[in-house]
Amino acid sequence: AQTVTQSQPEMSVQEAETVTLSCTYDTSESNYYLFWYKQPPSRQMILVIRQEAYKQQNATENRFSVNFQKAAKSFSLKISDSQLGDTAMYFCAFMKWGSNSGYALNFGKGTSLLVTP
Amino acid sequence: DGGITQSPKYLFRKEGQNVTLSCEQNLNHDAMYWYRQDPGQGLRLIYYSQIVNDFQKGDIAEGYSVSREKKESFPLTVTSAQKNPTAFYLCASSITDPSRTFFGQGTRLTVV
Repeated sequence: AQTVTQSQPEMSVQEAETVTLSCTYDTSESNYYLFWYKQPPSRQMILVIRQEAYKQQNATENRFSVNFQKAAKSFSLKISDSQLGDTAMYFCAFMKWGSNSGYALNFGKGTSLLVTP
Repeated sequence: DGGITQSPKYLFRKEGQNVTLSCEQNLNHDAMYWYRQDPGQGLRLIYYSQIVNDFQKGDIAEGYSVSREKKESFPLTVTSAQKNPTAFYLCASSITDPSRTFFGQGTRLTVV
């Protein structure tokens, strides 16, 4: 079974600053994907960024980037130029890739990020 | 517009009663999922279905049941056997592309 650990229950950052959210995972699988999801107060789940395990290059989406360390099983999210709208719960998630996996997501417990003016 | 519809948004039930949460999608996705969200627990998988008339238990299936009679629909029944049913429930669907998992707006179930 895969486990996803987010060690920071809460974090705070000032507007325009940079913040990094940590995520580690444990798996024996070789083919998988990693994701960061954002859940604002509306509770709608929004995909922030994804990383294919077979890719060495770290994924980037505008102000969001990841630091994927496969050997260390680490997958941190960096948010640059933080905005008030980034205030949300952030979940790290793992997906096994392959037959009979169902493409279900295995989530961490989340990090609550507060962006302050 | 394509998407996933969960209804109702808020649901109240008395302890001991079964309750069914609705999830409908018009995205033509084969796979559908149910997750439960509790404060400080993240999202945990209850059941998932990859095709019609087939479904598998997730990590916390006890006290829940599902059906998948149509591709578009994946209702979740919370039975009286579920010891702590009060939670936020999210339905999702996907195709084979892992980045294309869509979530519904969720149903907040409160059992009193």
